[in-house]
Amino acid sequence: QKEVEQDPGPLSVPEGAIVSLNCTYSNSAFQYFMWYRQYSRKGPELLMYTYSSGNKEDGRFTAQVDKSSKYISLFIRDSQPSDSATYLCAMSEAGGTSYGKLTFGQGTILTVHP
Amino acid sequence: DADVTQTPRNRITKTGKRIMLECSQTKGHDRMYWYRQDPGLGLQLIYYSFDVKDINKGEISDGYSVSRQAQAKFSLSLESAIPNQTALYFCATSTLANTGELFFGEGSRLTVL
Repeated sequence: QKEVEQDPGPLSVPEGAIVSLNCTYSNSAFQYFMWYRQYSRKGPELLMYTYSSGNKEDGRFTAQVDKSSKYISLFIRDSQPSDSATYLCAMSEAGGTSYGKLTFGQGTILTVHP
Repeated sequence: DADVTQTPRNRITKTGKRIMLECSQTKGHDRMYWYRQDPGLGLQLIYYSFDVKDINKGEISDGYSVSRQAQAKFSLSLESAIPNQTALYFCATSTLANTGELFFGEGSRLTVL
């Protein structure tokens, strides 16, 4: 069993829909939780970053972390065709030597059609 | 110009050949990483380096080696390529600050026949 599980989709939604992307994990030592967005033929780029449990909002994007359930989510409101990409959750443990050593989910392919 | 540059972007080779993928960065970051991406598996860490004299194995280092020639350069080698090393390879950098942010190159697609 992988440490981080993410439904690979693909997920197809109409423009304006609310999108929910989710990951579950098994390592209770994970303290830092991230969502990366990867456009076709590009490297991933950091979209959202959250430390420990709680919510974080940035424009149309909201990241939620529930450490008690080992479950993280990314919500996209008013989705746009430009949001079409692969979304990867990523996590890391605390501590200096863990910085940058991320464990990624499999990625969810999202298509937002006009 | 990209901050993290990978060469080559695409490479087709044959089983048993030695391959080197190169990465250079202009971000001034100390930490550099090599990840491999396969469909349905996400990104897996191959090797990482926290400074020029520091090299560490990641989750899937077997069959790979690395060299940190300078702060800005980190290369990945496949000594004897095999077909299951066909994948998309990403170099990434990060700072010492724990923001969780990795800065990725655009990837090197390797096909081993």
